Amino acid sequence: GENVEQHPSTLSVQEGDSAVIKCTYSDSASNYFPWYKQELGKGPQLIIDIRSNVGEKKDQRIAVTLNKTAKHFSLHITETQPEDSAVYFCAASIGVGSQGNLIFGKGTKLSVKP
Amino acid sequence: GAGVSQSPSNKVTEKGKDVELRCDPISGHTALYWYRQSLGQGLEFLIYFQGNSAPDKSGLPSDRFSAERTGGSVSTLTIQRTQQEDSAVYLCASSPMTGRGEAFFGQGTRLTVV
Repeated sequence: GENVEQHPSTLSVQEGDSAVIKCTYSDSASNYFPWYKQELGKGPQLIIDIRSNVGEKKDQRIAVTLNKTAKHFSLHITETQPEDSAVYFCAASIGVGSQGNLIFGKGTKLSVKP
Repeated sequence: GAGVSQSPSNKVTEKGKDVELRCDPISGHTALYWYRQSLGQGLEFLIYFQGNSAPDKSGLPSDRFSAERTGGSVSTLTIQRTQQEDSAVYLCASSPMTGRGEAFFGQGTRLTVV
């Protein structure tokens, strides 16, 4: 079945620096790749996603890149702020079409130091 | 409209008892997911419902776990003869039919088995 690997498990950066989180997936049929942010005591919240027909997507300080050949995708956060501190999860869809099941990576705990 | 609603938010039960966890998805969403998150860990897939299709139960850890989705809306996750290792946050998510694939999470139910 699909396996999603996420690295690093923890990441500490200074405020204003960039942060990059990387994920790899195993199922070449995966076609939807969302990223979630989870703050303490809350459910994960979708922050950005990308589909397999696009190589890069950007939303203000957040961007996601996808390399289908290598089967990896990355989250980039620029000009990090303390409120970006949270656990970030990547996911990949499996199954037919874009309604497939979502398999998640194990998460990255991002700490932004002021 | 309202987001995904889960109840109860917290549940403490004695080992060996059965528990039922409820999920009210976003109205109109045809896909519904259950995940389990142990303390400080990632999201472990449990079960996935999509419309009238047979659910994907491949993530259920044992036959003590079962889930139903009545009328294509509300879902109940049942854990029979609870064990201490069942203690975790149980997260529900729903996704629209439009093929956009985004999953929206509830706040979760924190289950503690004593």
